Amino acid sequence: AQKITQTQPGMFVQEKEAVTLDCTYDTSDQSYGLFWYKQPSSGEMIFLIYQGSYDEQNATEGRYSLNFQKARKSANLVISASQLGDSAMYFCAMREGRHTNAGKSTFGDGTTLTVKP
Amino acid sequence: GAVVSQHPSRVICKSGTSVKIECRSLDFQATTMFWYRQFPKQSLMLMATSNEGSKATYEQGVEKDKFLINHASLTLSTLTVTSAHPEDSSFYICSARASGRRYEQFFGPGTRLTVL
Repeated sequence: AQKITQTQPGMFVQEKEAVTLDCTYDTSDQSYGLFWYKQPSSGEMIFLIYQGSYDEQNATEGRYSLNFQKARKSANLVISASQLGDSAMYFCAMREGRHTNAGKSTFGDGTTLTVKP
Repeated sequence: GAVVSQHPSRVICKSGTSVKIECRSLDFQATTMFWYRQFPKQSLMLMATSNEGSKATYEQGVEKDKFLINHASLTLSTLTVTSAHPEDSSFYICSARASGRRYEQFFGPGTRLTVL
């Protein structure tokens, strides 16, 4: 069974600094995808970044980058130059299977990030 | 593009009544839709997966007779909470996946259900 672990219930970061949110996963499948989502207080889930298990390069999307260490089964999210609007809950998720309609996403417990001015 | 809407965004109902929540993919065809439940400051718990035109697949512990899911078209899925009780109060989020989109899963804004 797949499992996602986020060990940081809450994190604080100073505005304009970088922050790393931890995520480790457990799966026996060779093919899987890793995702990070942002959920502000409004409740909407916002997709941030994706990393495929076969992708050799770490994924990057603007200020977001994913530090993918396959051997350690970790997929940490790095947010550079934090902004006040980054304050939200962040979820790491994994989906097993290669095909688009295969597999369901499993979510971690989330990390609440607070950006301080 | 790839917008998912949910209606209503917020609903308050009396215990014993049924509530229907609609999830629509506005600009794409959703071959697969997911329904999640989220308690305050907790993770998303998958309730069921539905594919257009077929019966939903429910996760272990989710009562299919209580949470009726209908995925009648490629753009609409509904979740009906039947005979709602206060313990059903929660934030319900739907998500859709488009055919041909390798990995993306698009989420609706959620529906906050309060059962009195």
